Amino acid sequence: NAGVMQNPRHLVRRRGQEARLRCSPMKGHSHVYWYRQLPEEGLKFMVYLQKENIIDESGMPKERFSAEFPKEGPSILRIQQVVRGDSAAYFCASSPGLMGGNTIYFGEGSWLTVV
Amino acid sequence: GDSVTQMEGPVTLSEEAFLTINCTYTATGYPSLFWYVQYPGEGLQLLLKATKADDKGSNKGFEATYRKETTSFHLEKGSVQVSDSAVYFCALSSGSRLTFGEGTQLTVNP
Repeated sequence: NAGVMQNPRHLVRRRGQEARLRCSPMKGHSHVYWYRQLPEEGLKFMVYLQKENIIDESGMPKERFSAEFPKEGPSILRIQQVVRGDSAAYFCASSPGLMGGNTIYFGEGSWLTVV
Repeated sequence: GDSVTQMEGPVTLSEEAFLTINCTYTATGYPSLFWYVQYPGEGLQLLLKATKADDKGSNKGFEATYRKETTSFHLEKGSVQVSDSAVYFCALSSGSRLTFGEGTQLTVNP
């Protein structure tokens, strides 16, 4: 059973470009979470999605960031017009149901560098 | 809101030393508590968890007990190894998200 798969692992973008990060949850998991880890910091919640629905996006920056989890295919975190401050590791996680007693499993992360 | 406070690092120990990393939390209700480990350049791996008061999570020689009266979930290991060098994150879950502490860098020297 493959784990949470993220790609690309490393991405370099110039300021003003777009970054797209993809996440395939574990088989049988319908809940996806995105977290961001800035250098030397802990992880911060960004967004929680189920298939075709955004459930909680209270951690997403108001501009330039969006996320989706379509009926078919991976979840996508999209960052438009990237700036240097967007440089971070972006982690996706999945769970079979709502967190609480359920354990969530993390992918290996996508490291975004904005130059 | 929910928050997690971890012992500040970095922590440097010699091999076979005893490890304690303190973690306290603030939350409404009864969250589940977790310890995650992150090796350099990798994602987070679940180390152990506890879902209710007085539960003890354990894995790979690490232990932590959910103490509701002190709102704590301290991580301990009796004898650390060089391979335990990593960043350790305490976290709690409530509702739809995990709230993480800032992480504690552990270095174990031979």
